Amino acid sequence: AQSVAQPEDQVNVAEGNPLTVKCTYSVSGNPYLFWYVQYPNRGLQFLLKYITGDNLVKGSYGFEAEFNKSQTSFHLKKPSALVSDSALYFCAVRDRKRGGGNKLTFGTGTQLKVEL
Amino acid sequence: ETGVTQSPTHLIKTRGQQVTLRCSSQSGHNTVSWYQQALGQGPQFIFQYYREEENGRGNFPPRFSGLQFPNYSSELNVNALELDDSALYLCASSLALAGGPTQETQYFGPGTRLLVL
Repeated sequence: AQSVAQPEDQVNVAEGNPLTVKCTYSVSGNPYLFWYVQYPNRGLQFLLKYITGDNLVKGSYGFEAEFNKSQTSFHLKKPSALVSDSALYFCAVRDRKRGGGNKLTFGTGTQLKVEL
Repeated sequence: ETGVTQSPTHLIKTRGQQVTLRCSSQSGHNTVSWYQQALGQGPQFIFQYYREEENGRGNFPPRFSGLQFPNYSSELNVNALELDDSALYLCASSLALAGGPTQETQYFGPGTRLLVL
């Protein structure tokens, strides 16, 4: 069974500072990994994904994530946080087996709060 | 915005009733997935429809059922509503290539918030 852990319920960072939102995963075989962001009373917005290739993935709004196979991690990063980045962030994983649908398994989310 | 729309935006039902939620996929997408997001939790996969057939199901009872139409829009039906069905229901669409859904990005709609009293 596939699973995702987001060990921090909340991350606080000052505007202009770098941010990291942590994610570790468990899946049989190699994973597909995704990050989504959710603003209040909204659906999920896709940020980036890792399928194969370069371990550093660049996505929307200046976000990037680094796939680390040995640590089974896919941490989300941004060099300089903005107040507007404050939102709920979800990491998701899918294994590479065909069949069973393109089922994404999500973590419980990390609330990012960027303060002036 | 993703181009995925859902209706209604909010809904209040009583225990035991039935509900139908609707989703229009992004133009060109052929796959629709449904997720349930309880308060304070991550989304949980309910099922996925690809080419009008159910293509995978999560750990939800049979009273959760769905349809996908020839235009790839979709419905989620929940019978015999229970209090624990209160949640945000999210629909996501994606474009699966030949061979079926794999790693395609899923684009989410704004959700339908269901309250069961």
